[in-house]
Amino acid sequence: GNSVTQMEGPVTLSEEAFLTINCTYTATGYPSLFWYVQYPGEGLQLLLKATKADDKGSNKGFEATYRKETTSFHLEKGSVQVSDSAVYFCALSGSSGNTPLVFGKGTRLSVIA
Amino acid sequence: GAVVSQHPSRVICKSGTSVKIECRSLDFQATTMFWYRQFPKQSLMLMATSNEGSKATYEQGVEKDKFLINHASLTLSTLTVTSAHPEDSSFYICSARPQTTFYGYTFGSGTRLTVV
Repeated sequence: GNSVTQMEGPVTLSEEAFLTINCTYTATGYPSLFWYVQYPGEGLQLLLKATKADDKGSNKGFEATYRKETTSFHLEKGSVQVSDSAVYFCALSGSSGNTPLVFGKGTRLSVIA
Repeated sequence: GAVVSQHPSRVICKSGTSVKIECRSLDFQATTMFWYRQFPKQSLMLMATSNEGSKATYEQGVEKDKFLINHASLTLSTLTVTSAHPEDSSFYICSARPQTTFYGYTFGSGTRLTVV
């Protein structure tokens, strides 16, 4: 079955540091890949997505590239801010119909000033 | 567009009572909605897939008699936690995918259930 593995946290960075959160996946067919962010006490917000190989999703300074050869979708940001502190989830959806998202375990990021 | 509204955001109930959580798609029709449960500092666990006009599909290990799902219209799915116990305390989140934005999933803001 489909699965997502992402690096375990927590990750603590200083403001303006470079961020990488690794995510790899196992899937049949051609899944779409997502990064969601969850702020404390809130639901999930879509951060970015990519629907096919070599696509790059980007939003709010975050980027991730769909790498089929390495089955990866690593999240990066060049300069983090305190407001980026949250839990980040990598997820994938199957290539057909109304299938639910499959989530990684989440990575908690804390950015300190 | 593509907003999912979930209510209530927080609820405290006594053991043995039932609690209903609503998930509404505000500006699109959702033939399918998904219900997740999230334990503190953990990932989202899919509980069930709610299908409009038919029975929900439950994941293995989820008690269908405890977690009743009803999807009576194209814009509303409800999750009722019956005879709640403290171990049912958790964060419940619903999700739907508008057909007009293929591959995009929208999530409700979640419901924090505390059973005392």
